[in-house]
Amino acid sequence: ELKVEQNPLFLSMQEGKNYTIYCNYSTTSDRLYWYRQDPGKSLESLFVLLSNGAVKQEGRLMASLDTKARLSTLHITAAVHDLSATYFCAVGAPDSNYQLIWGAGTKLIIKP
Amino acid sequence: DTAVSQTPKYLVTQMGNDKSIKCEQNLGHDTMYWYKQDSKKFLKIMFSYNNKELIINETVPNRFSPKSPDKAHLNLHINSLELGDSAVYFCASSQADRVWEKLFFGSGTQLSVL
Repeated sequence: ELKVEQNPLFLSMQEGKNYTIYCNYSTTSDRLYWYRQDPGKSLESLFVLLSNGAVKQEGRLMASLDTKARLSTLHITAAVHDLSATYFCAVGAPDSNYQLIWGAGTKLIIKP
Repeated sequence: DTAVSQTPKYLVTQMGNDKSIKCEQNLGHDTMYWYKQDSKKFLKIMFSYNNKELIINETVPNRFSPKSPDKAHLNLHINSLELGDSAVYFCASSQADRVWEKLFFGSGTQLSVL
């Protein structure tokens, strides 16, 4: 059974600092997604990672995937207050195009 | 023009009532989903339909019944509402054979059962 673990679950940091959110998963998968959710809002896709070594960047966020280690990271560079949100990773179930297994989410608070 | 729209946004009701949440997508996707997000923000899939066919039916009480009249619509009907049903329900859609694409989510329906 595929399990997805994110850590930390809660992160409070100062503006201008760098930090990394980790997403580990337990069995082989060919796709991993990162989503952002603002309080009281819907989920917004950030990145789709499909191959070992994939790296994607947008603004201050960079996501990478190591399929051998079954690990994805979401790195935040020089954090700004607007990045405060909950970040989820989701991993595609190996035997289904339809099923995603979600991490518990990382609540990120960035203090001005 | 909203890609995935669900209504209502808020639903406050008494225990024992029956309620429905509607979802429509205009993206031409073939697959639609219902997710439940609890108070701890944990997301759990409930149902998935592909071209009106039920594909995923997770362990949810049979008081929850999805209905897909066509591939652009997936509604959720809930009978005999219980306190524990209070949560945010998200509809989503995707094109299942394009796994490199993301899920598109609706804005959510916050259900409060009193």
